[in-house]
Amino acid sequence: DTAVSQTPKYLVTQMGNDKSIKCEQNLGHDTMYWYKQDSKKFLKIMFSYNNKELIINETVPNRFSPKSPDKAHLNLHINSLELGDSAVYFCASSQGTGGSGANVLTFGAGSRLTVL
Amino acid sequence: AQSVAQPEDQVNVAEGNPLTVKCTYSVSGNPYLFWYVQYPNRGLQFLLKYITGDNLVKGSYGFEAEFNKSQTSFHLKKPSALVSDSALYFCAVRGMNSGGYQKVTFGTGTKLQVIP
Repeated sequence: DTAVSQTPKYLVTQMGNDKSIKCEQNLGHDTMYWYKQDSKKFLKIMFSYNNKELIINETVPNRFSPKSPDKAHLNLHINSLELGDSAVYFCASSQGTGGSGANVLTFGAGSRLTVL
Repeated sequence: AQSVAQPEDQVNVAEGNPLTVKCTYSVSGNPYLFWYVQYPNRGLQFLLKYITGDNLVKGSYGFEAEFNKSQTSFHLKKPSALVSDSALYFCAVRGMNSGGYQKVTFGTGTKLQVIP
């Protein structure tokens, strides 16, 4: 059983289109994240949800809109796609959001978005 | 704001030799530090973490990391490298955002190449 699963794995689309990436985790975690990995492999956090509540919202264009229908799902919708949006988007989950614990992230396999 | 530096883009080591992948960090408060590994076309996988206690932390696949508070370093090590260890390695530090939620910041990654 895949712990964190993302769909689609590959997405090729034209500039200006709108697309969505879905993520589901079956680990019972209460926190989910979206990270973006660019062509140089830099990883940057975009959003984080805890029990469906947005808790981290980095400086991301408002064309990106996350949505968490329940704590096991976190989707990412992107409007008016631009060339610079081409990247691999990783979903991750963890248990807990802070305190004295150090919460390990479990990552999905990634969704490679190519904007032409 | 927290940050992580991985000064080497790539490390080459002969199979059977010891390996070290360097990492330095900057964070307010107690450091919570992690190493993750990424194989081609895969998501990141957790290797090990430091929260408190013994400065030498042991993790998966024979890896270990040494925490050095005075040098603010958390170098990844393995006594004897395997060809299968060839991958991209990320150091990460956990800090908090302004809302009191954990935020994990990753380094730029170091590509480890183990030469047969």
